[in-house]
Amino acid sequence: GIQVEQSPPDLILQEGANSTLRCNFSDSVNNLQWFHQNPWGQLINLFYIPSGTKQNGRLSATTVATERYSLLYISSSQTTDSGVYFCAVDGDYGNNRLAFGKGNQVVVIP
Amino acid sequence: EPEVTQTPSHQVTQMGQEVILRCVPISNHLYFYWYRQILGQKVEFLVSFYNNEISEKSEIFDDQFSVERPDGSNFTLKIRSTKLEDSAMYFCASRGGRGETQYFGPGTRLLVL
Repeated sequence: GIQVEQSPPDLILQEGANSTLRCNFSDSVNNLQWFHQNPWGQLINLFYIPSGTKQNGRLSATTVATERYSLLYISSSQTTDSGVYFCAVDGDYGNNRLAFGKGNQVVVIP
Repeated sequence: EPEVTQTPSHQVTQMGQEVILRCVPISNHLYFYWYRQILGQKVEFLVSFYNNEISEKSEIFDDQFSVERPDGSNFTLKIRSTKLEDSAMYFCASRGGRGETQYFGPGTRLLVL
């Protein structure tokens, strides 16, 4: 099946800093989603981004489908940005199940 | 905004007992999924469901697991005889059409003792 690699696995940020998280995938995809898992374990949808660039407040994401990677940018980080960020892709499967990466553990310190 | 709901939020059970996890997908969605996440690990696909039948299942989804959409709104995951290794967070997800965003519920945290 499709492989999803996320880097870096762990990141510690000072509040106010910017960061970039990367997701590489091994095959062409129909869909790519970024999630934030909060301390209660909930998966919060951040972006549906099979290609192109989107922005939502301090977060933005870019997917370059032809080169099989996606980037999530966090600007002016806040302590509430702490948690695990997951990239998940939907390959050319009939039912579009998502394959998840192992996540980026982000800790923002005040 | 419509959302996927799941009940219960937490469940503790004894090994060997049956559990039923419940989900209410977003009302006009057609594709339904269960995923699980063992503590500290990544989210893994279990099963997908479309047109009132299983459309795909992973190797994790063995004979102990079953899914049902009993009444057109609920979507359930049953584990017949729980094992210690079934302890995990179980997520339900739904999607409107092919290639659209999957929306996840808040999860049910299952602990098997």
